[in-house]
Amino acid sequence: DVKVTQSSRYLVKRTGEKVFLECVQDMDHENMFWYRQDPGLGLRLIYFSYDVKMKEKGDIPEGYSVSREKKERFSLILESASTNQTSMYLCASNLAGGWKDEQFFGPGTRLTVL
Amino acid sequence: ELKVEQNPLFLSMQEGKNYTIYCNYSTTSDRLYWYRQDPGKSLESLFVLLSNGAVKQEGRLMASLDTKARLSTLHITAAVHDLSATYFCAVDDSWGKFQFGAGTQVVVTP
Repeated sequence: DVKVTQSSRYLVKRTGEKVFLECVQDMDHENMFWYRQDPGLGLRLIYFSYDVKMKEKGDIPEGYSVSREKKERFSLILESASTNQTSMYLCASNLAGGWKDEQFFGPGTRLTVL
Repeated sequence: ELKVEQNPLFLSMQEGKNYTIYCNYSTTSDRLYWYRQDPGKSLESLFVLLSNGAVKQEGRLMASLDTKARLSTLHITAAVHDLSATYFCAVDDSWGKFQFGAGTQVVVTP
């Protein structure tokens, strides 16, 4: 079974802090994704990565950056957290060019910025 | 730009009755996915639909795909309480990158 893990289930940070959210997958997937989910807005793509050291902006990249130094790990960085970044963050991964391309999701990190 | 619209966004179901959730999308794609999310939890894959006319069934849920109409439906037969959740459809726009619908919150009551 595909397993996608995220470093924290719940996180509380203060405005202005630098925040790291980590995601690890164990199925050798090329693609990894970071979403945020807010009530009434569904899932919005922040950044994605097709390969190590590759990154592409999604729909809402402002205020975020990412790092992918190893194939299995994709980090989301909030350089200076703000209260409007309080949200549920979901990581996902899938195969590149695979026939099914199904995305597998991690358990999510609920981030609160005070 | 690929747009995915789900309706309704909220569905109050009575136990034992049948209902349908609709997912329309704006560009050609033959890959569509349905997910379920329980409150406070992550997304769980329900169905993968990979071609025109594809139909998948699991228990009381059945999903179908009409790529010519750019429409997928999720049909619920004889709703039961444990189907209460939020259901998302997602379309693969390219290379495994998905566009999600806004989700349909389903509440099943006696």
